[in-house]
Amino acid sequence: RKEVEQDPGPFNVPEGATVAFNCTYSNSASQSFFWYRQDCRKEPKLLMSVYSSGNEDGRFTAQLNRASQYISLLIRDSKLSDSATYLCVVWDSNYQLIWGAGTKLIIKP
Amino acid sequence: GAGVSQSPSNKVTEKGKDVELRCDPISGHTALYWYRQSLGQGLEFLIYFQGNSAPDKSGLPSDRFSAERTGGSVSTLTIQRTQQEDSAVYLCASSIDRGPETQYFGPGTRLLVL
Repeated sequence: RKEVEQDPGPFNVPEGATVAFNCTYSNSASQSFFWYRQDCRKEPKLLMSVYSSGNEDGRFTAQLNRASQYISLLIRDSKLSDSATYLCVVWDSNYQLIWGAGTKLIIKP
Repeated sequence: GAGVSQSPSNKVTEKGKDVELRCDPISGHTALYWYRQSLGQGLEFLIYFQGNSAPDKSGLPSDRFSAERTGGSVSTLTIQRTQQEDSAVYLCASSIDRGPETQYFGPGTRLLVL
């Protein structure tokens, strides 16, 4: 089992729709969680940090479920510019950032 | 306010040759990471430097891979006797410390081994 797992997608979603995807992690002692965004042939960039019960930033909401060991990312009113790969990242108890393989999102007009 | 820079941006080499990839982190960032990303895959941790401490080399895939960080700043990743499976994007990132702080990535070096 991978330490951080994501559905690779792609998720094909019409513009304006709401889309959500999950990420599961195996180390129950993990403390911090992040969502990064990576555009095609570009480097990853931080989208959101996820602490305690989660947080919201505009159209983006991240949630953490410690009992089930997953985090989620919800995007409302999706835009064409949201098309990207979304990487789940977990800070584990061994002081390492563990990266998921990413979920590809395609927003269609 | 320069970000993380990497050079070269693209490198094509022949199987068996050695390559050196360079990373200039953000000034003042004590932590520096090297990752590898193969096409359509997530980031694979290679090596981590923190200040003057011994580097965490646990992610290096073989002894053909090595890295140095001189003066706590610039880092060089060296791949000896390159193989075709080494073809990937090599990403460098720096952060303020080895906490769960955000990592700032360079644009990467795209390595193609023929």
